[in-house]
Amino acid sequence: GAVVSQHPSRVICKSGTSVKIECRSLDFQATTMFWYRQFPKQSLMLMATSNEGSKATYEQGVEKDKFLINHASLTLSTLTVTSAHPEDSSFYICSAPGPGLGYTFGSGTRLTVV
Amino acid sequence: QKEVEQDPGPLSVPEGAIVSLNCTYSNSAFQYFMWYRQYSRKGPELLMYTYSSGNKEDGRFTAQVDKSSKYISLFIRDSQPSDSATYLCAMSEEDDKIIFGKGTRLHILP
Repeated sequence: GAVVSQHPSRVICKSGTSVKIECRSLDFQATTMFWYRQFPKQSLMLMATSNEGSKATYEQGVEKDKFLINHASLTLSTLTVTSAHPEDSSFYICSAPGPGLGYTFGSGTRLTVV
Repeated sequence: QKEVEQDPGPLSVPEGAIVSLNCTYSNSAFQYFMWYRQYSRKGPELLMYTYSSGNKEDGRFTAQVDKSSKYISLFIRDSQPSDSATYLCAMSEEDDKIIFGKGTRLHILP
C-alpha cells in the first residue's frame, strides 16, 4: 500500500552542521508534501508546503534559508536544516495528500542537535 | 496490512448529533494513542492524548482505547459546524515514531 518513507528516523548532529531529512512516497505520486515540526505532546506546526517543480511555501515565522526544502521529483521531498542549533532539536514529520482522500504521513525524524 | 487503518470518509452528520470516529491497528506494542484535528492549510492540532487502554474525556470529546480489540475511537457530542475538519488518529510504541491514520473528513451539516 501507499507509504511515505521518512529517513532518518533519528539523527544526532553537532551544532553548526546541516542535516537532511528525506520523505519518499512509495506506490503513489506526491505532488505536494507538507513539513511539520512537533514538540512533545503538542500539535504539529506546519512549517512549509513543497510542490514538485516549484518553490516551497513557508509559513510565517519559518526561516526559509534555514529550512531548505526541495521537491525535485514526484516521489521525493527533502528538508535540510542548515547550521543546526540546539533549539532546532525537535520531531519533524512530513505528509502528502492522498492517495485518494486523506493524508499519508511519514513516521517522523527525531533531530537532536548537541 | 497497514499498521493503522482509518476510513477517510467523508462523513456527514447533522448538527447536534454524536459523531463516532475510529481507527484500527495491528501493532500490539502501541501504547500512546492520539487524535488530531486538522483544518485546511493548518497543521494537525492535538485534541486527545492517551496512554494505554481506557477512556479520556475533555469537554465534548471522549477518546476510547480498546487494546484487546486494537481499536480506538473518538466521540464528539453535540457536534457543531465548527467541528467540520479532518480528524487523524495516531499512535506510537514509545513517545516517538508516530504512525498516523489517513484522516477522516467530517462535515457537520447545519
